[in-house]
Amino acid sequence: DAGVTQSPTHLIKTRGQHVTLRCSPISGHKSVSWYQQVLGQGPQFIFQYYEKEERGRGNFPDRFSARQFPNYSSELNVNALLLGDSALYLCASSPEGQGSHGYTFGSGTRLTVV
Amino acid sequence: DAKTTQPPSMDCAEGRAANLPCNHSTISGNEYVYWYRQIHSQGPQYIIHGLKNNETNEMASLIITEDRKSSTLILPHATLRDTAVYYCIVRSQTGNQFYFGTGTSLTVIP
Repeated sequence: DAGVTQSPTHLIKTRGQHVTLRCSPISGHKSVSWYQQVLGQGPQFIFQYYEKEERGRGNFPDRFSARQFPNYSSELNVNALLLGDSALYLCASSPEGQGSHGYTFGSGTRLTVV
Repeated sequence: DAKTTQPPSMDCAEGRAANLPCNHSTISGNEYVYWYRQIHSQGPQYIIHGLKNNETNEMASLIITEDRKSSTLILPHATLRDTAVYYCIVRSQTGNQFYFGTGTSLTVIP
């Protein structure tokens, strides 16, 4: 059974560009969350989606947006990239919205902004 | 959600028990204690969680003090593959996010 899959695994973008990161949750999981992890720090919450609706948003600028599709996969979009957006972007899924039994994380997308 | 305090780093000899402490003195009655770990360049991995009773699974044991202001994650027989950053997180069941903090970097020494 496949875990949480994220694509691409690595990418390099230039300041000012736009990026789209993709996540496929575990089969049967309806909730997807996105986290940003800057080097040397713990992951920081960006968004949570459950049943295609936004259920939570962290302290990130409007340049960050996300959506969830009918098959529960999700995209994270970041516009007008800054050097400080360089980070590991993690996607996590859970069967239900509260993740009461924990979330399963993917291996992440390493974004480098130059 | 309550904040947690963990030592930044710890060492443990291979084969010995690793005891990772966490303080969460402002925890409220409906908040659970979760533990995750992150091995270099991978996503965080769920280990265990509990409310007030001690919990054990195939990976670890979680000991929560009676006043619930602190807890200890125990890896009974640490191996080199347990070298990772361990995060203690306090969260209510209705919460929709985890606050990871900076965690404890555990190094298992041969």
